[in-house]
Amino acid sequence: AQKVTQAQTEISVVEKEDVTLDCVYETRDTTYYLFWYKQPPSGELVFLIRRNSFDEQNEISGRYSWNFQKSTSSFNFTITASQVVDSAVYFCARYSSNSNSGYALNFGKGTSLLVTP
Amino acid sequence: GAGVSQTPSNKVTEKGKYVELRCDPISGHTALYWYRQSLGQGPEFLIYFQGTGAADDSGLPNDRFFAVRPEGSVSTLKIQRTERGDSAVYLCASSPGLAGGRDTQYFGPGTRLTVL
Repeated sequence: AQKVTQAQTEISVVEKEDVTLDCVYETRDTTYYLFWYKQPPSGELVFLIRRNSFDEQNEISGRYSWNFQKSTSSFNFTITASQVVDSAVYFCARYSSNSNSGYALNFGKGTSLLVTP
Repeated sequence: GAGVSQTPSNKVTEKGKYVELRCDPISGHTALYWYRQSLGQGPEFLIYFQGTGAADDSGLPNDRFFAVRPEGSVSTLKIQRTERGDSAVYLCASSPGLAGGRDTQYFGPGTRLTVL
Protein backbone atom coordinates (compact mmCIF):
# COMPACT_ATOMS: atom_id res chain seq x y z
CA ALA A 1 0.00 0.00 0.00
CA GLN A 2 1.14 3.52 -0.66
CA LYS A 3 2.16 5.04 2.63
CA VAL A 4 0.80 8.03 4.50
CA THR A 5 3.31 9.49 6.96
CA GLN A 6 2.46 11.67 9.91
CA ALA A 7 5.87 12.30 11.41
CA GLN A 8 4.57 14.15 14.48
CA THR A 9 3.43 11.62 17.07
CA GLU A 10 2.39 14.13 19.72
CA ILE A 11 2.05 17.91 19.81
CA SER A 12 1.27 20.02 22.84
CA VAL A 13 0.27 23.67 22.56
CA VAL A 14 -1.24 26.31 24.76
CA GLU A 15 -4.71 27.57 23.92
CA LYS A 16 -4.83 30.26 21.22
CA GLU A 17 -1.60 29.13 19.60
CA ASP A 18 -1.63 28.11 15.95
CA VAL A 19 -0.58 24.55 15.18
CA THR A 20 0.21 22.70 11.95
CA LEU A 21 -0.11 18.94 11.55
CA ASP A 22 2.01 17.45 8.79
CA CYS A 23 1.02 14.75 6.33
CA VAL A 24 3.18 13.34 3.54
CA TYR A 25 1.87 10.68 1.19
CA GLU A 26 3.31 8.32 -1.38
CA THR A 27 1.65 8.07 -4.76
CA ARG A 28 2.19 6.40 -8.10
CA ASP A 29 -1.24 7.51 -9.29
CA THR A 30 -2.35 10.49 -11.30
CA THR A 31 -5.71 10.63 -9.55
CA TYR A 32 -6.02 10.18 -5.81
CA TYR A 33 -8.02 11.41 -2.85
CA LEU A 34 -6.82 12.70 0.51
CA PHE A 35 -8.68 13.02 3.80
CA TRP A 36 -8.33 14.31 7.33
CA TYR A 37 -10.25 12.79 10.22
CA LYS A 38 -10.43 13.80 13.89
CA GLN A 39 -10.68 11.19 16.65
CA PRO A 40 -11.61 12.79 20.00
CA PRO A 41 -11.31 10.87 23.27
CA SER A 42 -14.78 9.41 22.68
CA GLY A 43 -13.22 7.37 19.87
CA GLU A 44 -15.45 8.13 16.91
CA LEU A 45 -13.66 9.25 13.75
CA VAL A 46 -15.06 12.55 12.52
CA PHE A 47 -14.65 13.51 8.88
CA LEU A 48 -13.02 16.93 8.36
CA ILE A 49 -12.09 17.27 4.69
CA ARG A 50 -11.75 15.40 1.39
CA ARG A 51 -9.41 16.60 -1.34
CA ASN A 52 -9.01 15.45 -4.94
CA SER A 53 -5.57 15.38 -6.54
CA PHE A 54 -6.69 17.50 -9.47
CA ASP A 55 -7.77 20.38 -7.23
CA GLU A 56 -4.78 22.06 -5.63
CA GLN A 57 -6.62 24.99 -4.13
CA ASN A 58 -6.07 25.41 -0.43
CA GLU A 59 -9.15 25.39 1.73
CA ILE A 60 -10.24 27.25 4.84
CA SER A 61 -13.12 26.33 7.11
CA GLY A 62 -13.38 28.56 10.15
CA ARG A 63 -10.23 28.03 12.23
CA TYR A 64 -9.16 25.08 10.06
CA SER A 65 -7.12 25.35 6.89
CA TRP A 66 -5.44 22.85 4.62
CA ASN A 67 -2.36 23.29 2.42
CA PHE A 68 -2.16 20.80 -0.46
CA GLN A 69 1.22 20.75 -2.25
CA LYS A 70 1.50 18.12 -4.99
CA SER A 71 5.14 19.05 -5.64
CA THR A 72 6.10 17.86 -2.15
CA SER A 73 3.30 15.25 -1.77
CA SER A 74 2.07 16.99 1.34
CA PHE A 75 -1.36 17.80 2.72
CA ASN A 76 -0.84 19.76 5.92
CA PHE A 77 -3.55 20.85 8.34
CA THR A 78 -3.43 24.07 10.37
CA ILE A 79 -5.60 25.00 13.32
CA THR A 80 -5.60 28.72 14.05
CA ALA A 81 -6.15 29.97 17.59
CA SER A 82 -6.39 26.46 19.01
CA GLN A 83 -8.94 25.60 21.68
CA VAL A 84 -9.07 22.90 24.34
CA VAL A 85 -11.85 21.16 22.36
CA ASP A 86 -9.38 20.65 19.52
CA SER A 87 -7.54 18.08 21.66
CA ALA A 88 -7.78 14.80 19.75
CA VAL A 89 -5.87 12.45 17.50
CA TYR A 90 -5.86 13.62 13.90
CA PHE A 91 -5.47 11.19 11.02
CA CYS A 92 -4.49 11.84 7.45
CA ALA A 93 -5.65 9.22 4.94
CA ARG A 94 -5.80 8.50 1.23
CA TYR A 95 -7.10 6.14 -1.38
CA SER A 96 -6.53 6.00 -5.10
CA SER A 97 -8.71 5.58 -8.12
CA ASN A 98 -6.60 2.74 -9.42
CA SER A 99 -5.11 1.26 -6.30
CA ASN A 100 -4.93 -2.49 -5.86
CA SER A 101 -6.39 -2.03 -2.41
CA GLY A 102 -9.81 -1.27 -3.79
CA TYR A 103 -11.57 1.54 -2.00
CA ALA A 104 -9.84 1.11 1.33
CA LEU A 105 -8.68 4.15 3.21
CA ASN A 106 -4.99 3.99 4.05
CA PHE A 107 -4.38 5.94 7.26
CA GLY A 108 -1.29 7.47 8.77
CA LYS A 109 -0.47 6.65 12.39
CA GLY A 110 -2.05 9.85 13.60
CA THR A 111 -0.89 12.93 15.49
CA SER A 112 -2.10 13.37 19.04
CA LEU A 113 -2.80 17.05 19.72
CA LEU A 114 -3.13 18.31 23.27
CA VAL A 115 -4.31 21.88 23.80
CA THR A 116 -3.93 23.13 27.34
CA PRO A 117 -5.64 26.18 28.86
CA GLY B 1 -30.14 12.00 10.69
CA ALA B 2 -28.79 8.93 12.45
CA GLY B 3 -25.15 8.10 11.96
CA VAL B 4 -23.42 4.74 11.79
CA SER B 5 -24.14 2.64 14.85
CA GLN B 6 -22.22 -0.33 16.18
CA THR B 7 -23.07 -2.90 18.82
CA PRO B 8 -21.88 -3.84 21.30
CA SER B 9 -19.71 -0.90 22.29
CA ASN B 10 -17.53 -3.23 24.35
CA LYS B 11 -17.04 -6.97 24.13
CA VAL B 12 -14.90 -9.06 26.46
CA THR B 13 -14.41 -12.69 25.55
CA GLU B 14 -12.11 -15.57 26.29
CA LYS B 15 -9.49 -16.95 23.97
CA GLY B 16 -10.98 -19.49 21.59
CA LYS B 17 -14.52 -18.14 21.69
CA TYR B 18 -16.63 -16.92 18.77
CA VAL B 19 -17.77 -13.29 18.55
CA GLU B 20 -20.07 -11.25 16.33
CA LEU B 21 -19.85 -7.49 15.92
CA ARG B 22 -22.71 -5.60 14.33
CA CYS B 23 -22.76 -2.46 12.18
CA ASP B 24 -25.83 -0.48 11.15
CA PRO B 25 -24.85 2.00 8.40
CA ILE B 26 -26.36 5.35 7.53
CA SER B 27 -29.70 4.83 5.80
CA GLY B 28 -29.32 4.72 2.04
CA HIS B 29 -25.55 4.12 2.07
CA THR B 30 -24.72 1.22 -0.20
CA ALA B 31 -21.01 0.99 0.65
CA LEU B 32 -19.87 -0.39 4.00
CA TYR B 33 -16.34 -0.87 5.36
CA TRP B 34 -14.79 -2.60 8.35
CA TYR B 35 -11.50 -1.44 9.86
CA ARG B 36 -9.46 -2.52 12.87
CA GLN B 37 -7.59 -0.05 15.06
CA SER B 38 -4.90 -1.17 17.48
CA LEU B 39 -3.71 1.08 20.28
CA GLY B 40 -1.65 4.00 19.00
CA GLN B 41 -2.21 3.12 15.36
CA GLY B 42 -4.40 4.31 12.54
CA PRO B 43 -7.32 2.19 11.41
CA GLU B 44 -6.45 -0.69 9.08
CA PHE B 45 -8.81 -1.83 6.37
CA LEU B 46 -10.44 -5.24 6.67
CA ILE B 47 -13.28 -5.57 4.14
CA TYR B 48 -15.50 -3.50 1.85
CA PHE B 49 -19.09 -4.24 0.79
CA GLN B 50 -20.95 -2.72 -2.11
CA GLY B 51 -24.55 -3.75 -1.55
CA THR B 52 -24.68 -7.35 -0.38
CA GLY B 53 -21.39 -8.50 -1.87
CA ALA B 54 -17.86 -8.21 -0.51
CA ALA B 55 -16.09 -6.19 -3.20
CA ASP B 56 -12.70 -6.30 -1.47
CA ASP B 57 -11.80 -8.58 1.46
CA SER B 58 -8.05 -8.32 1.04
CA GLY B 59 -7.59 -6.86 4.51
CA LEU B 60 -8.99 -9.80 6.47
CA PRO B 61 -5.99 -11.21 8.37
CA ASN B 62 -6.90 -14.89 8.09
CA ASP B 63 -9.82 -17.28 7.63
CA ARG B 64 -10.98 -16.85 11.22
CA PHE B 65 -12.45 -13.53 10.14
CA PHE B 66 -15.61 -13.36 8.07
CA ALA B 67 -18.21 -10.68 7.38
CA VAL B 68 -21.68 -10.68 5.87
CA ARG B 69 -24.22 -8.15 4.73
CA PRO B 70 -27.16 -10.29 3.60
CA GLU B 71 -29.70 -7.56 2.86
CA GLY B 72 -27.35 -4.79 1.86
CA SER B 73 -27.80 -2.84 5.08
CA VAL B 74 -26.68 -4.22 8.45
CA SER B 75 -23.35 -6.03 8.46
CA THR B 76 -21.90 -8.53 10.92
CA LEU B 77 -18.21 -9.16 11.41
CA LYS B 78 -17.59 -12.66 12.74
CA ILE B 79 -14.43 -13.84 14.41
CA GLN B 80 -13.91 -17.53 15.16
CA ARG B 81 -11.50 -19.00 17.72
CA THR B 82 -10.52 -15.58 18.99
CA GLU B 83 -6.90 -14.93 19.94
CA ARG B 84 -5.43 -12.32 22.26
CA GLY B 85 -3.96 -10.56 19.23
CA ASP B 86 -7.49 -9.88 17.97
CA SER B 87 -7.98 -7.36 20.78
CA ALA B 88 -8.57 -3.97 19.15
CA VAL B 89 -11.27 -1.46 18.30
CA TYR B 90 -13.30 -2.58 15.29
CA LEU B 91 -14.64 0.35 13.30
CA CYS B 92 -17.39 0.35 10.74
CA ALA B 93 -17.86 3.07 8.12
CA SER B 94 -20.42 3.69 5.41
CA SER B 95 -20.59 5.89 2.35
CA PRO B 96 -23.20 6.65 -0.31
CA GLY B 97 -21.44 4.34 -2.74
CA LEU B 98 -21.40 6.91 -5.48
CA ALA B 99 -18.61 7.68 -7.93
CA GLY B 100 -17.25 4.17 -7.96
CA GLY B 101 -16.61 4.17 -4.24
CA ARG B 102 -14.46 7.26 -4.16
CA ASP B 103 -16.77 9.09 -1.82
CA THR B 104 -16.51 10.00 1.83
CA GLN B 105 -16.70 7.36 4.54
CA TYR B 106 -18.50 8.12 7.81
CA PHE B 107 -17.47 6.12 10.85
CA GLY B 108 -19.32 4.57 13.74
CA PRO B 109 -18.15 4.71 17.37
CA GLY B 110 -16.48 1.31 17.17
CA THR B 111 -16.60 -1.90 19.19
CA ARG B 112 -13.76 -2.43 21.63
CA LEU B 113 -12.95 -6.15 21.64
CA THR B 114 -10.86 -7.59 24.45
CA VAL B 115 -9.76 -11.21 24.28
CA LEU B 116 -8.57 -12.57 27.63
